[in-house]
Order: sequence, then structure tokens, then C-alpha cells
Amino acid sequence: GQQVMQIPQYQHVQEGEDFTTYCNSSTTLSNIQWYKQRPGGHPVFLIQLVKSGEVKKQKRLTFQFGEAKKNSSLHITATQTTDVGTYFCAGPHASGGSYIPTFGRGTSLIVHP
Amino acid sequence: KAGVTQTPRYLIKTRGQQVTLSCSPISGHRSVSWYQQTPGQGLQFLFEYFSETQRNKGNFPGRFSGRQFSNSRSEMNVSTLELGDSALYLCASSLNAENTGELFFGEGSRLTVL
Repeated sequence: GQQVMQIPQYQHVQEGEDFTTYCNSSTTLSNIQWYKQRPGGHPVFLIQLVKSGEVKKQKRLTFQFGEAKKNSSLHITATQTTDVGTYFCAGPHASGGSYIPTFGRGTSLIVHP
Repeated sequence: KAGVTQTPRYLIKTRGQQVTLSCSPISGHRSVSWYQQTPGQGLQFLFEYFSETQRNKGNFPGRFSGRQFSNSRSEMNVSTLELGDSALYLCASSLNAENTGELFFGEGSRLTVL
């Protein structure tokens, strides 16, 4: 079945440093989504990428979708303590006439002030 | 517009008991999915309902079941609870009929099995 791998599992950074998490799928994805989950919270949608090679920016966050639509990355420039949380990627897996969003294990970002 | 509402937020059960969790999706959303989140396994898909029909089911034993009502509210039930069922159970609703769009998650129901 489809798998979505995400690395690294954890990342410690000093405030102000950059951070990147990578997501790889075993199959081509029609789209990829990114979510953020704060400690003790629930996943919150950040963005969806659809096109091959697509790059989208949200302030200090840059999202990329690979040319082959099998990998993606999230880069945060100059991290802040408010960036702390676990970042998940999710890709749709076709099943039963709809799609099951399959989540990576997530990358937990720890920002040290 | 109200978000996804899950009840109860916290509950403690003992092994062998059963539990029912409830989820009210965002108004107008007809797709409801359930996920189990544990530190070791991440977010694992349980099942998805659309218009009262289960469209997809994850790789969980038959002790895990669910249903959806005509108003799109959904419930999931876990019978004969085991210690390993301790987890955060998240419900997510989606506007997109194919379930490929943004997922709106509830705050979850944290189940502890003793």
C-alpha cells in the first residue's frame, strides 16, 4: 500500500535558525497537504499543493512539491518559538470511490529560545 | 461557523469496557473521517463516512466500528477495550465529496484504558 515517509522525526533548533522537513511518498500523489499540530492540540491545515514543482509561501514558511509529485518539503526561515509543534504531510490514497489522506509520522520541531 | 466538535474530550475506561465517541462535523460537511493518534504510530486512519455510508475502513480490528447519521454527525465505538487502545481519537470533516480537500479536525477525545 501507499506509504508516506517523513524525516526527520525530531528537530531541535535555536530560535532564528532555519528548519526543513521532508516528505516522500511511495506513489505519485495528486496533491499533498501539510498540517501543524501544536503540543496538546489537534492538526490544523496549513496548505495544499497540487501542481508538479509547485512552490508556495506563507510568510516564513515555504512549501515545495516535487517534479515527480512524490516528494515535498516544508522550510521555515528564522524559526520562532511559536513554530513549535509537529508538522505532518498527507497524501491521498484512492480507495472505495474516495480518498484516504495518508499521513506521515510527522516531524516534531523544538525551538530553543 | 462552528468547528468540528468532539465529545467527550477526556475519558478513562478499564479493560473490557466499551466506549462511544461522538463527532459533529462542520455544517455542510458530509464526509467524516476518524483517526487514532498515538506517539508510536502517528495518525492512523480508522474509517470514513459519507452520507451515512462507510466508504473506507483502515486496518483495525472489528472491535472498532462507527456510523454516521442523517445530519452527518458520526459516532465511533470501541468494544472490549484493551490497554493499547489508549490514544487520542481525532475526527475530521471535509467539504470535498472525494475527501481530497482540506481536513478540519476536532480537538479529539483522549481515551485512557486502565
